[in-house]
Amino acid sequence: GQQVMQIPQYQHVQEGEDFTTYCNSSTTLSNIQWYKQRPGGHPVFLIQLVKSGEVKKQKRLTFQFGEAKKNSSLHITATQTTDVGTYFCAGPLGSSYKLIFGSGTRLLVRP
Amino acid sequence: DAGITQSPRHKVTETGTPVTLRCHQTENHRYMYWYRQDPGHGLRLIHYSYGVKDTDKGEVSDGYSVSRSKTEDFLLTLESATSSQTSVYFCAISENKGGIGQPQHFGDGTRLSIL
Repeated sequence: GQQVMQIPQYQHVQEGEDFTTYCNSSTTLSNIQWYKQRPGGHPVFLIQLVKSGEVKKQKRLTFQFGEAKKNSSLHITATQTTDVGTYFCAGPLGSSYKLIFGSGTRLLVRP
Repeated sequence: DAGITQSPRHKVTETGTPVTLRCHQTENHRYMYWYRQDPGHGLRLIHYSYGVKDTDKGEVSDGYSVSRSKTEDFLLTLESATSSQTSVYFCAISENKGGIGQPQHFGDGTRLSIL
């Protein structure tokens, strides 16, 4: 069946260091979405990428959608303690309105 | 945040008892979803709804049922709770415009413990 995989599972960084999480789908996706979940909180939608090779930025966060629309990355420049949480990618399940979520990358930031 | 309210926020109950979780939205979104989140498993879809009285199973639906009698309410019922259903349950909603797989907005979650 369709799978979405994320690596790494965990990342522990020193505040100020950069961070990247990678998302890989077993199938071509019409779009890819990223969510952030703070400890004890709920997933919050961050962004959606639709076009092949698309790059979007939100302040220190850079999101990229691969040319083949099967992979994506989230890069955080100069991490801060407020970046702590789990980052999930998600894509449409087949041609439906349902989403399939990656297992997430948990980011820990040492002050 | 989207207008989604889950109730209760926390519940402790005993094995074998029925449990109902409620999700209420004020966004008039067509699609509603129930997920469970467990360590090491991420978010797994239990059931979803694509309209009033229109529901279908997700990947982990055994032991759960749902109902949607109004656009704004989506209920998740554990018919006879088991310890394996101890989890955090999230409700999510999404719009019916803009194509497939639209972004979802989540409620605050219900932490359910079954002893």
